[in-house]
Amino acid sequence: AQTVTQSQPEMSVQEAETVTLSCTYDTSESDYYLFWYKQPPSRQMILVIRQEAYKQQNATENRFSVNFQKAAKSFSLKISDSQLGDAAMYFCAYRSRKDKLVFGAGTILRVKS
Amino acid sequence: KAGVTQTPRYLIKTRGQQVTLSCSPISGHRSVSWYQQTPGQGLQFLFEYFSETQRNKGNFPGRFSGRQFSNSRSEMNVSTLELGDSALYLCASSLVAAGGEKLFFGSGTQLSVL
Repeated sequence: AQTVTQSQPEMSVQEAETVTLSCTYDTSESDYYLFWYKQPPSRQMILVIRQEAYKQQNATENRFSVNFQKAAKSFSLKISDSQLGDAAMYFCAYRSRKDKLVFGAGTILRVKS
Repeated sequence: KAGVTQTPRYLIKTRGQQVTLSCSPISGHRSVSWYQQTPGQGLQFLFEYFSETQRNKGNFPGRFSGRQFSNSRSEMNVSTLELGDSALYLCASSLVAAGGEKLFFGSGTQLSVL
């Protein structure tokens, strides 16, 4: 069964600084997708970034980028120029082409002003 | 365009009762999936529907069921409620049910079982 592990229950970052959230996953599939979702206090999950496993190039979305290491099964999220609005719970998630979405336990990100 | 709408936002039930939660997807989206979020178990997949057909089901007992209507709206039902069913239930919609599809989530229904 596929599993997703987020080893950092909580992280803190100073406003305008850079922070990296870690995620590892376990799968025997070769074709799959990886996601980072953000859940602010409003509880509504928002997609931050998505990576297709067949693409070697790391995905980027403005201040958000990933470091995808397929062989190591690692998928970390880097947030640059952190803002107060980035404070939230961040979930790493995995999905193969036809299977269900599997989430990690989440990392609470606190942003200090 | 309206987002994913879940009703009700909050619900309080007692053990043994049953409950029905509703999810209206974004207009044009044909896939709806449901997730249970608890502090202890985290986010767990319940089921996924596409064009009124269940495509995937998570590891939950038969007390948890769902369905999707021809207008893509979905309901999930939990019968014989247990204390452990207290959770935030999230619904998400997407255009199609494919692995890489972007999911749009609702704000959830917070269920408390007393």
